[in-house]
Amino acid sequence: DVKVTQSSRYLVKRTGEKVFLECVQDMDHENMFWYRQDPGLGLRLIYFSYDVKMKEKGDIPEGYSVSREKKERFSLILESASTNQTSMYLCASSEPTYSSSYNSPLHFGNGTRLTVT
Amino acid sequence: DQQVKQNSPSLSVQEGRISILNCDYTNSMFDYFLWYKKYPAEGPTFLISISSIKDKNEDGRFTVFLNKSAKHLSLHIVPSQPGDSAVYFCAARIDDKIIFGKGTRLHILP
Repeated sequence: DVKVTQSSRYLVKRTGEKVFLECVQDMDHENMFWYRQDPGLGLRLIYFSYDVKMKEKGDIPEGYSVSREKKERFSLILESASTNQTSMYLCASSEPTYSSSYNSPLHFGNGTRLTVT
Repeated sequence: DQQVKQNSPSLSVQEGRISILNCDYTNSMFDYFLWYKKYPAEGPTFLISISSIKDKNEDGRFTVFLNKSAKHLSLHIVPSQPGDSAVYFCAARIDDKIIFGKGTRLHILP
């Protein structure tokens, strides 16, 4: 069974702080993703990575950066947290489309509820 | 510009009856479609998927239908059970990127 682990379930940070959200997956997946979920807005893609040190912007990358130094770990960084970044953050991983598991779903972690005050 | 649309924010269905959740998309390049279920304070869990080359996929109580000409897919749950009460997200893939709709909250009534 795929396991995607997010290091914190709940975080409270102050405006202006630098925030790191960590995610680790244990299935050797090439692809990793960060989404945020907000009421009425669904899941919106922030960044994704299809390989170590590779990253692609999603639909809402402003105010965020990411780091993928090892295949199993994908970090989301809020350079200077703001109150509008209060949200549920969800990490996910999957096999790439070129793999033998061509049609494999995203596997999500349990999420990190971040509150910025 | 929303590429994956779930136009019903919520849906209430009697226990034992059929639940039908709908999803529309705009990009004809999507090649794979997925449904996820989400409970509060948990990550989404994968339910069922369908490749763009098929028009139906079934797994137990869950069936997904794809109408490519209409750019429409639907999830049928039969029979609906109390544990099905959750938010359901439709998602679509292009290259390796997966885009989600806003979700539909399903309430199963006793």
